[in-house]
Amino acid sequence: QQQVKQSPQSLIVQKGGIPIINCAYENTAFDYFPWYQQFPGKGPALLIAIRPDVSEKKEGRFTISFNKSAKQFSLHIMDSQPGDSATYFCAAGNSGNTPLVFGKGTRLSVIA
Amino acid sequence: GAVVSQHPSWVICKSGTSVKIECRSLDFQATTMFWYRQFPKQSLMLMATSNEGSKATYEQGVEKDKFLINHASLTLSTLTVTSAHPEDSSFYICSARHRTSGIQYFGAGTRLSVL
Repeated sequence: QQQVKQSPQSLIVQKGGIPIINCAYENTAFDYFPWYQQFPGKGPALLIAIRPDVSEKKEGRFTISFNKSAKQFSLHIMDSQPGDSATYFCAAGNSGNTPLVFGKGTRLSVIA
Repeated sequence: GAVVSQHPSWVICKSGTSVKIECRSLDFQATTMFWYRQFPKQSLMLMATSNEGSKATYEQGVEKDKFLINHASLTLSTLTVTSAHPEDSSFYICSARHRTSGIQYFGAGTRLSVL
């Protein structure tokens, strides 16, 4: 019940394409859903996050879509660039000091 | 934005020695800090959760006597890998939860190589 399932494991898109990464969770107590971007040899960096009171959040080229009834959320990257090539992790958490639960990650490659 | 400083970024040590990794939240107070281990091309594996002034909570399978965690203040936590062995070689990442926003920020990671 604590798992967050992330797919696909890897993704290759052409520059300008819109990669979509999906995550699903079981625990209905989760109320915070962030996405992190990680480049090789670096720590994860917070990209964008959403709470269940909204169905979509957009920040620049990054958009989170959230479906509370299906317990799913996804990341869309508009007009993807080679510099977006990285590993993306979705996560889920709730209020308090409990740690985030991470998905297994998606390795995105954007080719020119 | 909030910054978490992790030091050193890379350390090489001999088998049997101890290594200390430091994690600081530079511009915010952190109620809780987390330590993760990451193997190549894998997700983050939570090792332990620490709250300022109290003992760390270790995840199942993580040896608390091997991985000593000290959370001395609201801005500093340290991980000491004691009597390191080659199998401890890995990428260790700390994370700090912002006291006000609750957002979890990550350090840049420490690559440990034990010879």
